[in-house]
Parts: sequence; structure tokens; C-alpha cells
Amino acid sequence: AQKVTQAQTEISVVEKEDVTLDCVYETRDTTYYLFWYKQPPSGELVFLIRRNSFDEQNEISGRYSWNFQKSTSSFNFTITASQVVDSAVYFCALSNIKAAGNKLTFGGGTRVLVKP
Amino acid sequence: DGGITQSPKYLFRKEGQNVTLSCEQNLNHDAMYWYRQDPGQGLRLIYYSQIVNDFQKGDIAEGYSVSREKKESFPLTVTSAQKNPTAFYLCASSIGPRTGGYTFGSGTRLTVV
Repeated sequence: AQKVTQAQTEISVVEKEDVTLDCVYETRDTTYYLFWYKQPPSGELVFLIRRNSFDEQNEISGRYSWNFQKSTSSFNFTITASQVVDSAVYFCALSNIKAAGNKLTFGGGTRVLVKP
Repeated sequence: DGGITQSPKYLFRKEGQNVTLSCEQNLNHDAMYWYRQDPGQGLRLIYYSQIVNDFQKGDIAEGYSVSREKKESFPLTVTSAQKNPTAFYLCASSIGPRTGGYTFGSGTRLTVV
């Protein structure tokens, strides 16, 4: 069985502050993908990043950065200099590469509210 | 443009009625999925299909049924046996196993009245 935990249910910040979203996962498999998705109020899921379990390099994309640490089974996401448009629910997810069905297991999500 | 179309965007159902949510993709993806999202919660897998005429139950399949007669289509029926059907439903597709790529539809919000 696999599990993804996002302990923070809601984070509120003032614009331009940095915000870090925690994601801890559990899996017995050695090969897996980790994902982050953004869900704005309209409801659709916006893909942000996919990470292969073999690649522990941190990644930066504009104001977004991700810290992947296999030793602690964590895949944390930081938004630097937050903006109001970053207000959304963010989901961390896991899929096992070799498992049948290619299914995604989601965390419970973290709601980010950025105030002007 | 390729993508996934879910319809309708909003759906109202009377208690005791069955209702079918549509999901169509033109991405030529083999695998398709249905997820349910309750307010303030994550997404849970209802059913998935890896190939035409084949599908498997996910974590919360009770009260739901699906069919996969065509590669492009994966409709979800919410039956009267589903005790709490009010939720947001998302359909997704992927090229196939071990690819790690998913495309999501824009969702259907179902409300029981």
C-alpha cells in the first residue's frame, strides 16, 4: 500500500512571503514518481512537476522550487515571494512505476491563501 | 487541441436516481481514471481502465459503475446505491503504465437534491 500525507491543511500568508508545503510519502516500491498539482478555484488540476525516484536533484522553476529527500521520504514544495494568484489547493501525489494501472495516490491537499 | 472533456460541469440528481458522467479524450491514451474529491479532501480513485473493455475497481468503487467500450470514452454511472454521491468528480487519462504522465479533465460537480 502507498500513502501520501500533507500535514498542513491550510496556510495563510501575506503577499511576497515565502511558503513551504510539506509532503511525506510511504511506499514499498523503489521506483516511483512524485507529483505536485495546483487546483485553483475553478477545479481543474494543473500539473506542476513530476519527479522520478532515481533523481534526487532539487529543482527550481521560476518562483517554485522542490526539495526531494528519499532519506526522509519527503517531497516539499516552496513558493518564493508568493502572489495572490498562488492562492489555490496544492496536492502532492505518488505513482508506482512498476505497479499495474499506473494509479495516482493523492495527499489530502494544502490550501494556500495569499493575502494582498 | 488534445485533451479531456468532462460533461456536464454541474449536475443535480434526485435521491434514488442513477446519473452518468461523461468523460471523453482525444489524446489516444490507453488508460483512463475516475477520481472523487470531497470538500477539503484529496482525490480518491473510483475506477480505472488500462485498455478497452477492461476496468478495475479503485479504492471507493461501491455504488459506482463504468464501461470502456471505446478507447476515447470512459463514462461513470453514479447509482442509487451510492449513499453520499455529492462530490466533485475528475476524470484523467495517461498513455499507459509506467509513463508517469496524466491529463485531467475540468471536473463535474454532482449535487444530490
